[in-house]
Amino acid sequence: EIMLTQSPGTLSLSPGERATLSCRASQSVTSTYVSWYQQKPGQAPRLLIYGASSRATGIPDRFSGTGSGTDFTLTVSRLEPEDFAIYYCQQYVPSLRMFAFGQGTKLEI
Amino acid sequence: QVQLVESGGGVVQPGRSLRLSCTASGFTFRSYAMHWVRQAPGKGLEWVAVIWYDGSNKYYADSVKGRFTISRDNSKNTLYLQMNSLRAEDTALYYCASGGDSEGFEMWGQGTMVTVSS
Repeated sequence: EIMLTQSPGTLSLSPGERATLSCRASQSVTSTYVSWYQQKPGQAPRLLIYGASSRATGIPDRFSGTGSGTDFTLTVSRLEPEDFAIYYCQQYVPSLRMFAFGQGTKLEI
Repeated sequence: QVQLVESGGGVVQPGRSLRLSCTASGFTFRSYAMHWVRQAPGKGLEWVAVIWYDGSNKYYADSVKGRFTISRDNSKNTLYLQMNSLRAEDTALYYCASGGDSEGFEMWGQGTMVTVSS
């Protein structure tokens, strides 16, 4: 079983600040298979980052992803009011033929 | 306009069955792997199942393996999830989403709610 642990559970920041969200896998994964999503209340998730560091279509460049092996990071360089939401990491493990999501990080004002 | 529309949710008793559908429009459905992802009330996202673009591969989360079946009809641009032997813990909002192993889940529907209760 693959487990993804996101930290912190809740991150309290102000607009204009920098947010750093962590995602740690229980086993090493190929960065190609790591994605990040944003979800706001009452909405479906939105793809932000795929392949660990590639921004999805229409995603502002203040969002960036890095990482390799078991540790991955989503950074929001300068928080805008609309960035306060829940963020999930996700990965695919070919050997297990499974996808998995982390438990989420709530980014609050 | 790209759109995924789920349907088929509702209230069902434990042990019963339900079939969800997801109808796609605005993109070449037959070219994309498709997933079901669920979210229990107030909880996080849980991946449920995936089917490859041509139906050649189907993978499931351990929590639904043997009870749920994913399928697709590319001629109808429709994805399905047959859910049997439903349990209370299957209660969730079920989303369909498109995406392969390395592109992320790019497109999402708005979800259909399944409530398993006696």
